[in-house]
Amino acid sequence: KAGVTQTPRYLIKTRGQQVTLSCSPISGHRSVSWYQQTPGQGLQFLFEYFSETQRNKGNFPGRFSGRQFSNSRSEMNVSTLELGDSALYLCASSYAPDSQSSYNEQFFGPGTRLTVL
Amino acid sequence: EDKVVQSPLSLVVHEGDTVTLNCSYEVTNFRSLLWYKQEKKAPTFLFMLTSSGIEKKSGRLSSILDKKELFSILNITATQTGDSAVYLCAVGLLNYGGATNKLIFGTGTLLAVQP
Repeated sequence: KAGVTQTPRYLIKTRGQQVTLSCSPISGHRSVSWYQQTPGQGLQFLFEYFSETQRNKGNFPGRFSGRQFSNSRSEMNVSTLELGDSALYLCASSYAPDSQSSYNEQFFGPGTRLTVL
Repeated sequence: EDKVVQSPLSLVVHEGDTVTLNCSYEVTNFRSLLWYKQEKKAPTFLFMLTSSGIEKKSGRLSSILDKKELFSILNITATQTGDSAVYLCAVGLLNYGGATNKLIFGTGTLLAVQP
C-alpha cells in the first residue's frame, strides 16, 4: 500500500505571497490532518478534514486554510506569507469508518519544506 | 491548556546501552498516547497506547502507559546507531460532540547513539 504523499517537497516563497500544498492520504483513509513543525514550537496541529468537512482546527490565524476533495486528497493554503511561516508542513492520514470515529493512529507524509524570504 | 512534556531533551549513549525516554501529559480529554520516531524526514509510527499497565513491544522497543500518574515511557534496549533520531510523544484527544484525530505533541527527545 502506498504511503502518504505530499507535493511539492520544497518551496521557496517571498513575504506576501500565497502558497498551496497538497496531500494524498493512504488509500482508504478518509481523515487527513495537517501539522506545522518548527524548531521553536515543535509539531503543532493545524486542522483535520474528514469527508470534505473540517472536523477540528488548531490555533492558527485565518491565513491558514484547507480543504478536502471527494477522493480524500487535501490541500492547505497559506495566504499573505510571513517569515514565521517558514516550517515543515506535515500531512497525516488516519483510518476512520465514519464521521463519529477516530483512531488517532496517524501516518505521516514526507512533508513540504516551506521557506519564506 | 493541554500540554505534553518529554524528558530528557537530549541523550547521548553508546551502542548496546538501554535508554528510557519519558513523556508526561496534562490534557482535558485523554484518549490515547502515541510514540513516533523522526529521523531527517516524516515521523514514523511506533506505538499507540490506550490502557494503563499493558506493555507494547516491538523488537528492542517497548512502551507502557500509566493513566493514573499521567505518563508513559519508551524503552530501547541494546541500542544501535540506527536508533539515533528524535522520539516524539503525542496525545490523542476525545472531542465532545464529535470525533477528532487531533494530536498534541511534545517537543521530542533527541537520542544520539555512538558506536
